[in-house]
Amino acid sequence: ETGVTQSPTHLIKTRGQQVTLRCSSQSGHNTVSWYQQALGQGPQFIFQYYREEENGRGNFPPRFSGLQFPNYSSELNVNALELDDSALYLCASRMTGEAYEQYFGPGTRLTVT
Amino acid sequence: DAKTTQPTSMDCAEGRAANLPCNHSTISGNEYVYWYRQIHSQGPQYIIHGLKNNETNEMASLIITEDRKSSTLILPHATLRDTAVYYCIVLSSMYSGGGADGLTFGKGTHLIIQP
Repeated sequence: ETGVTQSPTHLIKTRGQQVTLRCSSQSGHNTVSWYQQALGQGPQFIFQYYREEENGRGNFPPRFSGLQFPNYSSELNVNALELDDSALYLCASRMTGEAYEQYFGPGTRLTVT
Repeated sequence: DAKTTQPTSMDCAEGRAANLPCNHSTISGNEYVYWYRQIHSQGPQYIIHGLKNNETNEMASLIITEDRKSSTLILPHATLRDTAVYYCIVLSSMYSGGGADGLTFGKGTHLIIQP
């Protein structure tokens, strides 16, 4: 296990609703990234947070937003949920300045109906 | 970041060496090769990375060809717990400071270890 925890484990939402997913990074890691993994696909980079600011983003619309807190934990918020948002959402942490040895959590499985 | 090409799936007998190939023919001089794996129902796990020299750690060895256009991940004595999807990724910087690039995962190779 990596020390990265995510909550909740599973979640079911209805189209149009909003959802918040949470991540606690590994101790000492100051950079957190979020990924979306659709069934049968590799994870896709959503964004990265460092020093409580978003400093990198993949090809995701603005309704995907996030926060990082002073203790380096993070939230992913998705507004106006769509059926295609159903996926495994992964959080990964690392130390800035280190190589891309990212430590992933177990993920949150989101189902949108 | 350069694209990578991996076989969709591979089988290997338990106890034998598993050799997973990756082509990255458009890799540039400052790009590193990283390997991650994802066991079913878990998040991806870092395995190893390298620039041009061969690398070895407690999990695996990484062999990079001299022209750096391909690499092979070697699991020396595969066990059933090594059954997973293995991802080969190239990245433009080892120390990215505060910024910005996430990992670009393809579909990877589904390695199945047979008893």
